[in-house]
Amino acid sequence: GQQVMQIPQYQHVQEGEDFTTYCNSSTTLSNIQWYKQRPGGHPVFLIQLVKSGEVKKQKRLTFQFGEAKKNSSLHITATQTTDVGTYFCAARGAYSGAGSYQLTFGKGTKLSVIP
Amino acid sequence: DSGVTQTPKHLITATGQRVTLRCSPRSGDLSVYWYQQSLDQGLQFLIHYYNGEERAKGNILERFSAQQFPDLHSELNLSSLELGDSALYFCASSVGQGKSYGYTFGSGTRLTVV
Repeated sequence: GQQVMQIPQYQHVQEGEDFTTYCNSSTTLSNIQWYKQRPGGHPVFLIQLVKSGEVKKQKRLTFQFGEAKKNSSLHITATQTTDVGTYFCAARGAYSGAGSYQLTFGKGTKLSVIP
Repeated sequence: DSGVTQTPKHLITATGQRVTLRCSPRSGDLSVYWYQQSLDQGLQFLIHYYNGEERAKGNILERFSAQQFPDLHSELNLSSLELGDSALYFCASSVGQGKSYGYTFGSGTRLTVV
């Protein structure tokens, strides 16, 4: 199983500025997922990265998986107030085994956007 | 609407009591996962069921139990409640069990123990 560390814990940006959150693991990850949780809401699946060095884009969001598959990042270009929320990375958890693929979530990065 | 239904949305109960949280997974999903979210601990994995069978257990207290029924809905039972059990409880579903699929979360049950 994996433990993933996310930094920073909080980030306050002016609207229009860029934002990046990082996810790090001490061990090699088979893949990594990213989720967004709006204030008062539930986590929503954004994307899964599987390949070493993979880069995927969703409009202003860019997701990267490190070459060694031990880290990942989410970058938002020109933040908007709609980007407010907590962003979580998630990887295969410590309790996964035969017959179960369970996710362990990072603590998340809470993004505030100042209009 | 994510397709995962959780009831009730809010629950206020006293210490020592027992409550049942219910989750109906998205149509076609066979896996149900329960997570507890508190401010200081983030999303903590509790238990995973696949097609009616328990598949993995996380840091779930002995006072907590769960099951998944033949119609695939799941219930999480919390007993002898303590103040520290106050949290958001999410269930999530996915189509499979042994491979990596994105989770679909329900809107959660906010439990307040007073």
